[in-house]
Amino acid sequence: SQQGEEDPQALSIQEGENATMNCSYKTSINNLQWYRQNSGRGLVHLILIRSNEREKHSGRLRVTLDTSKKSSSLLITASRAADTASYFCATDVSGGYNKLIFGAGTRLAVHP
Amino acid sequence: DAGVIQSPRHEVTEMGQEVTLRCKPISGHNSLFWYRQTMMRGLELLIYFNNNVPIDDSGMPEDRFSAKMPNASFSTLKIQPSEPRDSAVYFCASSLGVTAGELFFGEGSRLTVL
Repeated sequence: SQQGEEDPQALSIQEGENATMNCSYKTSINNLQWYRQNSGRGLVHLILIRSNEREKHSGRLRVTLDTSKKSSSLLITASRAADTASYFCATDVSGGYNKLIFGAGTRLAVHP
Repeated sequence: DAGVIQSPRHEVTEMGQEVTLRCKPISGHNSLFWYRQTMMRGLELLIYFNNNVPIDDSGMPEDRFSAKMPNASFSTLKIQPSEPRDSAVYFCASSLGVTAGELFFGEGSRLTVL
């Protein structure tokens, strides 16, 4: 069964707007990662946040982690058409060996 | 570095045939993962190798699936015999180290079993 569940399943916005995607998970984690997948391509790592961190930034990306609620959010600011992709959260299950369990993903469409 | 290299990129075969998917991880990475992606089930971890040794194969769906890693630069995922429900995109990913870190994915092998 999937560990992470993304919300919403699909998101459609205009260029320049911000996009927020949420991820909830079930069990305790070592870290949580976000990946992007362009259509027909492999997944690309975006950002990793550890269980003892609450917020992390990378360029136009901002990730938050709330371990008490077992949830994370990914914010993409000033979106661009090139941000159109599916976004997945992946959790490293505590006690694991870098065993990443992926959520179902959010499909983001950014319209020019 | 060329990244994780998978072959073939596309494979169309008939039910009952043997399918072999290949993966070359990034040089120096000692962890290798095989994932399967379908619309219905999303991304599923099939098997994980560390230093060429299979550590966790609990995600392998059934005995028709097998994976090997004869050396640090090559892994195969074999399906024998293949069935239509095996149709999916199969991804190989590698990472450096045992503990949590970034996975580097290949472009995937799209398998269609008729």
